[in-house]
Amino acid sequence: AQSVTQLDSHVSVSEGTPVLLRCNYSSSYSPSLFWYVQHPNKGLQLLLKYTSAATLVKGINGFEAEFKKSETSFHLTKPSAHMSDAAEYFCAGRGSSASKIIFGSGTRLSIRP
Amino acid sequence: EPEVTQTPSHQVTQMGQEVILRCVPISNHLYFYWYRQILGQKVEFLVSFYNNEISEKSEIFDDQFSVERPDGSNFTLKIRSTKLEDSAMYFCASTGGGINQPQHFGDGTRLSIL
Repeated sequence: AQSVTQLDSHVSVSEGTPVLLRCNYSSSYSPSLFWYVQHPNKGLQLLLKYTSAATLVKGINGFEAEFKKSETSFHLTKPSAHMSDAAEYFCAGRGSSASKIIFGSGTRLSIRP
Repeated sequence: EPEVTQTPSHQVTQMGQEVILRCVPISNHLYFYWYRQILGQKVEFLVSFYNNEISEKSEIFDDQFSVERPDGSNFTLKIRSTKLEDSAMYFCASTGGGINQPQHFGDGTRLSIL
């Protein structure tokens, strides 16, 4: 069975400091992994995706994530947080190319001025 | 950039009434999905649809739910007799289906059952 676990329900950082949102996955086969962002009352916007081409994936808005098979992790990072980054972030996984996406429980990112 | 569009953005319905949520997926996509997100909870898969039939559904997707692609553009989710616990945000998604293609999501329909 496939599952995605987000280790922190809430992360708070100061503006200009690094962001780390943690995600672990379990899958019986090589997954596709994604990070989505959801701003209040908005839909899910794709930040980045991993599909086995490269372990370090760069996304939009300065975010990136590294796939580590040995740790079954896909943590999301950003070197310097901006106030506009405040949102809910979802890690998600998919087994085959067109199958359903399994979402983690989400991490709410707050940015302190 | 093409996007998935959903209407209405907010639907308020009396318990027991039927409701239809509408989605227009990205035009050249082949796979379509509905997900829901109860307030404060994770996004949950409901159903996937390909080649004019359901390809997978979750246990949430019981006999009260149905999906349809009535023409070449719309993809609808019908709830036959709504319950209070159906109140949630409903997201439509679509993908071309290739291994490198993610699912693209609409902005959602907030369904409120009174």
